[in-house]
Amino acid sequence: AQSVTQLDSQVPVFEEAPVELRCNYSSSVSVYLFWYVQYPNQGLQLLLKYLSGSTLVKGINGFEAEFNKSQTSFHLRKPSVHISDTAEYFCAVSVFNTGGFKTIFGAGTRLFVKA
Amino acid sequence: NAGVMQNPRHLVRRRGQEARLRCSPMKGHSHVYWYRQLPEEGLKFMVYLQKENIIDESGMPKERFSAEFPKEGPSILRIQQVVRGDSAAYFCASSPGTYYNEQFFGPGTRLTVL
Repeated sequence: AQSVTQLDSQVPVFEEAPVELRCNYSSSVSVYLFWYVQYPNQGLQLLLKYLSGSTLVKGINGFEAEFNKSQTSFHLRKPSVHISDTAEYFCAVSVFNTGGFKTIFGAGTRLFVKA
Repeated sequence: NAGVMQNPRHLVRRRGQEARLRCSPMKGHSHVYWYRQLPEEGLKFMVYLQKENIIDESGMPKERFSAEFPKEGPSILRIQQVVRGDSAAYFCASSPGTYYNEQFFGPGTRLTVL
């Protein structure tokens, strides 16, 4: 069975500091990987996705993530965060099995950027 | 191209009433997913539908909850005889059914049960 683990439930960081939000997954089949962001009282927005090819994926708002197949990880990074990056971030994996596609979300990491 | 639309955005019900949540997917999308998010918790998958078919309802409680996605019109998530524990944000997502299944989310319906 597939699963997604976000290792940190909360990450406080000062403005302009770098940040890494960790995500590990388990799956016996090929997966597609996503990071979504959720601002307060809003739905989820796609930050970036990994489908194939280069393992370093660049997304919106200066975020990037690296797919590491041997470590089954897809950590999200930003070299310098801004107050407006305060939000909840969800890692997700999508697999195809009998019955169709299934996307599994991690529990989320709350990023809190302090001035 | 309008995004995923959900209505109402906020819904207040008393215990025992019915809640009906609507989701209009993006144009051209034939796959709809419903998720529930409790305060301070992550997203929990409830049900996956295609037009006129329920594909996976493994995350939906067997009693009181039902979902449909008719040939015409929005997808509906129905909760009968609501209880306080049903208070949550319910999100709908749609997908065009590509091989990687990128989902596009609506703004959610916040259900409060008094």
